[in-house]
Amino acid sequence: EAGVTQFPSHSVIEKGQTVTLRCDPISGHDNLYWYRRVMGKEIKFLLHFVKESKQDESGMPNNRFLAERTGGTYSTLKVQPAELEDSGVYFCASSHLAGSSTDTQYFGPGTRLTVL
Amino acid sequence: GQQLNQSPQSMFIQEGEDVSMNCTSSSIFNTWLWYKQDPGEGPVLLIALYKAGELTSNGRLTAQFGITRKDSFLNISASIPSDVGIYFCAGIHNYGQNFVFGPGTRLSVLP
Repeated sequence: EAGVTQFPSHSVIEKGQTVTLRCDPISGHDNLYWYRRVMGKEIKFLLHFVKESKQDESGMPNNRFLAERTGGTYSTLKVQPAELEDSGVYFCASSHLAGSSTDTQYFGPGTRLTVL
Repeated sequence: GQQLNQSPQSMFIQEGEDVSMNCTSSSIFNTWLWYKQDPGEGPVLLIALYKAGELTSNGRLTAQFGITRKDSFLNISASIPSDVGIYFCAGIHNYGQNFVFGPGTRLSVLP
């Protein structure tokens, strides 16, 4: 069974540009999560999808961040326009059971975003 | 906001030594989890704890859910080179809420 995949693995962009990150969860997983880790700090929750619906987006930093999960399969996270403080590693995770926050979350390898 | 503190921030140990790290919070959590992140990979769940006082093992790893519900520790016995990585604790306050992660403990194992 394929794990959670993320694309790209690295992205270097200039301040003001737009970047779109993609996450493909494990097939059949209803829950999809986005997290971010800024250098040396904790992994912070951004948002949670259950199928195609946003269950919780309380962690999204501001309206420059837009997440979508069309059709309840893969998800994208767009940052527009990117700022220097958006640099970090963006992780995606998925879990199987809808409605269970304690179900094991499987993490992708992350996308390392550098904004210059 | 909710915060978890992990100590130590980093540690260097000799292969074969035992390791202990902990995670503390000023607020109560009802679930504690320990994850390990290898370089270039995403975090992988090591141990999940669901009850205060619970002590759970996974091979050479042992973790405990503190009685106060405000802390947890992770022990690794007889460390080996592949134990190298960043260990994150994570907590969930209540069912249906999302994870709060600590900043991680970076472990290096010297041959």
